[in-house]
Amino acid sequence: GAVVSQHPSRVICKSGTSVKIECRSLDFQATTMFWYRQFPKQSLMLMATSNEGSKATYEQGVEKDKFLINHASLTLSTLTVTSAHPEDSSFYICSASPGSTNYGYTFGSGTRLTVV
Amino acid sequence: DAKTTQPNSMESNEEEPVHLPCNHSTISGTDYIHWYRQLPSQGPEYVIHGLTSNVNNRMASLAIAEDRKSSTLILHRATLRDAAVYYCILRSGSARQLTFGSGTQLTVLP
Repeated sequence: GAVVSQHPSRVICKSGTSVKIECRSLDFQATTMFWYRQFPKQSLMLMATSNEGSKATYEQGVEKDKFLINHASLTLSTLTVTSAHPEDSSFYICSASPGSTNYGYTFGSGTRLTVV
Repeated sequence: DAKTTQPNSMESNEEEPVHLPCNHSTISGTDYIHWYRQLPSQGPEYVIHGLTSNVNNRMASLAIAEDRKSSTLILHRATLRDAAVYYCILRSGSARQLTFGSGTQLTVLP
C-alpha cells in the first residue's frame, strides 16, 4: 500500500531556532501533499497544501513566512518552522494520496515539536 | 465543505461488533465518505471509503444509507487495538484536501 514517511518523529528545539520536517512518499508520486497541525485533545487542522514545483497554498490564519513549505520533487515535501516559539509546539502531520478521488489518503506518523 | 456529525465517544466490549455512526445530511452527489482512525501520538490511518454502495475491506465495513445522509462504520470484532479516534470525513470530487471534524473516541473494554 501507499506509504508516507515523516521525519523526525520527535524534535526539541530552542526558541528562535528553525526546525525542518520532511515528508516522503515512498512508493508513489505525490504532486500534492498536505500539512496538518494538531494540538492536544484537538482534531487535525489543515495548515497548507504543498504543490510540487509551485508555491504552497496556506489556510487562513497560517503565516506563510513562519511555516515555509518546499515541494521540490514528486516524493518530498518539507515544512520548516522558522523562529520557533513555545506556542508552535504541536504535533505536525503530513498526508498525500496516490491518486484521484477513488483513493484514500496516507498519513505520516507525525512529528512532535517541542519548543523550549 | 459538507459537515459530518459523530458522537463524541462510544464504548464497546472486546470481540463484539461496533457500529460507529456518522450523519452527513448536506452531502452532495460527488462527495465520497471517508473514514480514518487515529491512535494516540500517531498520524491518522485510512480505514475505508465509499460513494454510494456499501464497502468491505479487511479492516471494516462501511454501510451507506440509501439517501446517503448517513453512514455507519462497522468493526466486526473489536480488539483493544481498535481503541482510537474515528473520523468520518466527506471529500468532494473537486476538493483535494480532507477536513477533519472532532471524531468519535472509541474505547474498547476488555
